[in-house]
Amino acid sequence: NAGVTQTPKFQVLKTGQSMTLQCAQDMNHEYMSWYRQDPGMGLRLIHYSVGAGITDQGEVPNGYNVSRSTTEDFPLRLLSAAPSQTSVYFCASSYFGASASTDTQYFGPGTRLTVL
Amino acid sequence: AQSVTQLDSHVSVSEGTPVLLRCNYSSSYSPSLFWYVQHPNKGLQLLLKYTSAATLVKGINGFEAEFKKSETSFHLTKPSAHMSDAAEYFCVVSDQSGYSTLTFGKGTMLLVSP
Repeated sequence: NAGVTQTPKFQVLKTGQSMTLQCAQDMNHEYMSWYRQDPGMGLRLIHYSVGAGITDQGEVPNGYNVSRSTTEDFPLRLLSAAPSQTSVYFCASSYFGASASTDTQYFGPGTRLTVL
Repeated sequence: AQSVTQLDSHVSVSEGTPVLLRCNYSSSYSPSLFWYVQHPNKGLQLLLKYTSAATLVKGINGFEAEFKKSETSFHLTKPSAHMSDAAEYFCVVSDQSGYSTLTFGKGTMLLVSP
């Protein structure tokens, strides 16, 4: 049971490039989400998904796309990277039962992205 | 709407002394409250959570937190700090309204000196 995995661990991009951050979980969790962490800002929600085929925007969605074709995978796409997207990105998942808002979130190890 | 305020960005303690990390929240509904810990260059790990059961919640590694509705607070405490407690701590709120999302505080860095 690997939990939540993220690839790559580190990435450097040039302004305007696109890329996909990968996230996978093997716990059969319905709820998955992407956060970005910036110094002094805590974690801010980018996008989330409550199940395959269903996604929604979080607090800071601009410049990012997501899709959820399977329960296991939830990739985050940067369409045209900008220096403001330099951050650490965390993927998280949780079981989405009747008491969804009380569920523990399981976090991946993070992807450290630098945009030059 | 929901929000959370961590009152200290940094807290410094000596090993063996008590730890107090302060958190105030705002929520339109009955909230769920969490404390997560992040060690350097690691992901986040759940310490404890409050979900409208007992107001005093015990977590891992000797941490506990008390939900005080009248004060809208959920402070994290530990009787005796250990060097391994040095990390960043996040208070998180989620209102119990169906498909609610999490709102994170900005974090408190706990420094532990020998």
